[in-house]
Amino acid sequence: DGGITQSPKYLFRKEGQNVTLSCEQNLNHDAMYWYRQDPGQGLRLIYYSQIVNDFQKGDIAEGYSVSREKKESFPLTVTSAQKNPTAFYLCASNGGLMETEAFFGQGTRLTVV
Amino acid sequence: RKEVEQDPGPFNVPEGATVAFNCTYSNSASQSFFWYRQDCRKEPKLLMSVYSSGNEDGRFTAQLNRASQYISLLIRDSKLSDSATYLCVVRMDSSYKLIFGSGTRLLVRP
Repeated sequence: DGGITQSPKYLFRKEGQNVTLSCEQNLNHDAMYWYRQDPGQGLRLIYYSQIVNDFQKGDIAEGYSVSREKKESFPLTVTSAQKNPTAFYLCASNGGLMETEAFFGQGTRLTVV
Repeated sequence: RKEVEQDPGPFNVPEGATVAFNCTYSNSASQSFFWYRQDCRKEPKLLMSVYSSGNEDGRFTAQLNRASQYISLLIRDSKLSDSATYLCVVRMDSSYKLIFGSGTRLLVRP
């Protein structure tokens, strides 16, 4: 089945450690996105990528990094520079400007202790 | 000012009620508009796109007012299963960037 997969579903890390969240899609979509959601809040854009080897900062990119070496993969690294990393992280993909629907992965709940 | 703004609610309505949400956007160059639904602790899913002429899908009606820069979602004959958070999404056609509102929470009671 085609879809977008995030792993792991739950992740615990100690403060000061970098952590990488995985996002893989087999929908042949060009665009991929990372959002952060805090309790009771909407989605805030961290980074997005329109094509392989290219990505753009979103509204809250500080403390995060991404790569897009393959069309299928868009991993997100939460670095120790991110002040409040505990959140729900959602990855999405979209087929292009004419595609109406963005598909989301099931999300990763990151808790930093 | 936020690019996309929504009333957070919650809207608490009885079954069978009609309820409407509005969403305002700040960038007049915005061209594509959507409503997504998000259940508690789940990922968002597309409810419907919003077209310039307005569009309807069963009990759901979406409308766009470009002059006033807002979109709306009307839900008729509310069901218990409609309880969720409704997210407004905006995109400029020249960009892949999808901007989400903070969401409006709907609670439908028996």
